[in-house]
Formats: sequence, structure tokens, C-alpha cells
Amino acid sequence: AQKITQTQPGMFVQEKEAVTLDCTYDTSDPSYGLFWYKQPSSGEMIFLIYQGSYDQQNATEGRYSLNFQKARKSANLVISASQLGDSAMYFCAMRDPLYNQGGKLIFGQGTELSVKP
Amino acid sequence: DAGVIQSPRHEVTEMGQEVTLRCKPISGHDYLFWYRQTMMRGLELLIYFNNNVPIDDSGMPEDRFSAKMPNASFSTLKIQPSEPRDSAVYFCASSLALGYATNEKLFFGSGTQLSVL
Repeated sequence: AQKITQTQPGMFVQEKEAVTLDCTYDTSDPSYGLFWYKQPSSGEMIFLIYQGSYDQQNATEGRYSLNFQKARKSANLVISASQLGDSAMYFCAMRDPLYNQGGKLIFGQGTELSVKP
Repeated sequence: DAGVIQSPRHEVTEMGQEVTLRCKPISGHDYLFWYRQTMMRGLELLIYFNNNVPIDDSGMPEDRFSAKMPNASFSTLKIQPSEPRDSAVYFCASSLALGYATNEKLFFGSGTQLSVL
């Protein structure tokens, strides 16, 4: 069965430092997609970054990068130069198309990141 | 472009009452998803539609929950009768065609905060 695991319920980071949020996944399908979403206290879900299982390079989007280690089945989010506005809940998610029509997105439990001034 | 629009933003009701949550997906999106978010269970997929047809409703908790998509621009999630354990944030999300394209991201609405007293 597909599974997404985020083992860090909460994390603290000092402003301007980098932080890594962990995500591991489990699937037997060679083709899948991994996503990270941010949920600030206002509640909306904001897409951050995507990594495909066949992508040769690690995905990057501005200050966000994805440390993709396929053999270890991990897709950790790295936020560089943390800002106070990065304080939020972060969710890792996976789409595995072969398990259902179209491929629903399955979410991990989330990591709450707090950035200290 | 308008994003995914959900209404109401907040709903407070008494146990036993019928609750209807509404969603307007992004124009042109073929997929519509209903998620529920609670502290205990995180983000759970309840049901999703492709071209107005329900594809997977295995996440719908019980017969008290029903969802419809009468046309491409409108969907409802109904709870009848409501119970206190239904209290949660309900998100609607939409996406372009998926198929085996793993990189299509979900666009989320702002959510409906439901409180059942």
C-alpha cells in the first residue's frame, strides 16, 4: 500500500538558517510524483515543489529544494535562508497513478515549522 | 483567474442538522477532490470526481456523507445528519487532467471550517 511518513511533528529553525523537513514514502510503482505543500495559519494549502520519480535532477523552486533519494525512498524538503513567513505546517504528498484512475494525492501527517527571529 | 471557491468559510451547526458544503473548481479542471483535515487523522481524501463522475469514494466515512457534481463548475458535500465528530476543515481541490501524468498539482480552496455542536 502507498504510504507517506513525516516523522517530525514539529521543528524549530533560526531565521536565515537552512532547515530540512523529512519525508519518506512507500510504493512499489516505478512511476510516481512527490509534492510538498505549505499550510500557514490562515489555513490555505499552497503548492511548493514537485519531484517526479524519473527526474534526473533534484527539484528546486527559489529557496525550496527537494533532496530526492530514490533508493532510500525519501524526498526531504530543504528551505534555505529561513524567513519568519516560513512558519507554517508543511505536508509531503505522493501521487501513484497505477493504484487508481488518475492518481489521488496521499498526504503525510505534516511537520509544523517555527522560525525564530 | 479565480481559484477554487468554497462556501461557506465557516459553518456552525447542531448535531442532527443537515450540512451542505459547496465548491466551484477552477474552470477547465477535469478533476475535483474533497478532503477532510483533522488533528487526529490529518488530510484524508473523501471522494474525487473526473468529468463530474465519482471515481473513488472509498474515503467517505459513512452513509451520512454524500457528494455530487451536477456539472463541471459545481460540487456539493452533504452531511446528514451531522455529528460532533464531523467537526473538521473540509477542503475542495481541483486539477487538470491526470491520467498517468504524475506532475499535475492540486489547487486547493480556502476550506470550510465545520463545527458540529
